Amino acid sequence: AQSVTQLGSHVSVSEGALVLLRCNYSSSVPPYLFWYVQYPNQGLQLLLKYTTGATLVKGINGFEAEFKKSETSFHLTKPSAHMSDAAEYFCAVSEAGGNEKLTFGTGTRLTIIP
Amino acid sequence: NAGVTQTPKFRVLKTGQSMTLLCAQDMNHEYMYWYRQDPGMGLRLIHYSVGEGTTAKGEVPDGYNVSRLKKQNFLLGLESAAPSQTSVYFCASREDLSSYNEQFFGPGTRLTVL
Repeated sequence: AQSVTQLGSHVSVSEGALVLLRCNYSSSVPPYLFWYVQYPNQGLQLLLKYTTGATLVKGINGFEAEFKKSETSFHLTKPSAHMSDAAEYFCAVSEAGGNEKLTFGTGTRLTIIP
Repeated sequence: NAGVTQTPKFRVLKTGQSMTLLCAQDMNHEYMYWYRQDPGMGLRLIHYSVGEGTTAKGEVPDGYNVSRLKKQNFLLGLESAAPSQTSVYFCASREDLSSYNEQFFGPGTRLTVL
């Protein structure tokens, strides 16, 4: 079975500050890991994903995440927050090798303080 | 490409009424999914389909039925709506197992059951 824990349901950062959203996962087999973003009243949009290879993955809008197997983590970061980053962010996991299903975390709402 | 579309965008039902939510995708994807999103609970999988004519239960299937008569459409039915089914419903699709599980989401349907 797989699961995802997102620490912090709400995170506030000042414009220009570092964004750090935490995600820890549990999976019995090597995982595929994803970050999705949801802007108000919209569907989910893929930010980035880790499947195999390089453990530091870069996504859209300046976000990146690092897969750390020893810590079972996949934290999302952005060096400098922008007002347009205000949204809800979801971490998700699936099992490498063909599992059809994604398991989502409960989400982190990011607020940017001007 | 319209991607994944959902009909309707909003709906209000009375307890006991029935309705069908329509999801359509124009990407020729094999896999389709229905999720519900509730505050503080992330996205939970209701039902999914791995191809035309197939359906399978997800995490929270009770009170819902689905059909996949055509590859491009995935219908979610509520036979007798209950207030506990008030939620935002998202449909998603995925190309196949070789696409590293990336799912593409529709814009959502906001359902209120009174």
